Amino acid sequence: SQTIHQWPATLVQPVGSPLSLECTVEGTSNPNLYWYRQAAGRGLQLLFYSVGIGQISSEVPQNLSASRPQDRQFILSSKKLLLSDSGFYLCAWSPTVGEKLFFGSGTQLSVL
Amino acid sequence: AQTVTQSQPEMSVQEAETVTLSCTYDTSESDYYLFWYKQPPSRQMILVIRQEAYKQQNATENRFSVNFQKAAKSFSLKISDSQLGDAAMYFCAYERRNYQLIWGAGTKLIIKP
Repeated sequence: SQTIHQWPATLVQPVGSPLSLECTVEGTSNPNLYWYRQAAGRGLQLLFYSVGIGQISSEVPQNLSASRPQDRQFILSSKKLLLSDSGFYLCAWSPTVGEKLFFGSGTQLSVL
Repeated sequence: AQTVTQSQPEMSVQEAETVTLSCTYDTSESDYYLFWYKQPPSRQMILVIRQEAYKQQNATENRFSVNFQKAAKSFSLKISDSQLGDAAMYFCAYERRNYQLIWGAGTKLIIKP
């Protein structure tokens, strides 16, 4: 069966520090991969999505970037974190468009 | 631009009763997908139900059903026989063929014992 792993669960980082959040999927090949951010008490904001290795689409201009170095690995990065980067980050995958999204357990990022 | 509106920030229902959560969306497309996701306090997002726009029949999943009104661009979720475990944030979402999901702001559902 398919599983999605996202880590770390919580992260506290100082302003200006780098960021690397990793997400891996098991049990499937060529998944669509997504990074979302959820502000407290709000809905989900799509940050990046990828339909294949090296193919990244950005939905929101910001100081974050994403990479997909392997088929089932999706990484969210930043060179210098801002206070406004704080939030709950969710990784997700789906077999194809229109199909169910499977979410990771999320990372709570606090930038201080 | 496509938008998804959930007009009820919070709803409450007595255990075992029925509650309906509303969702409207704006699109000029004819082929798309609609979803309801649930986010309990654990923050794990879980699919509740999925509807394909070209299907006129309303989707159902056990105690969960939708009222899909394509012309009115309405996609409400009905939860029958509400249970304490149904307490969560419920998000409505719309997806076109460009992989981009548009999400509503969510409705917090409170179950009164």
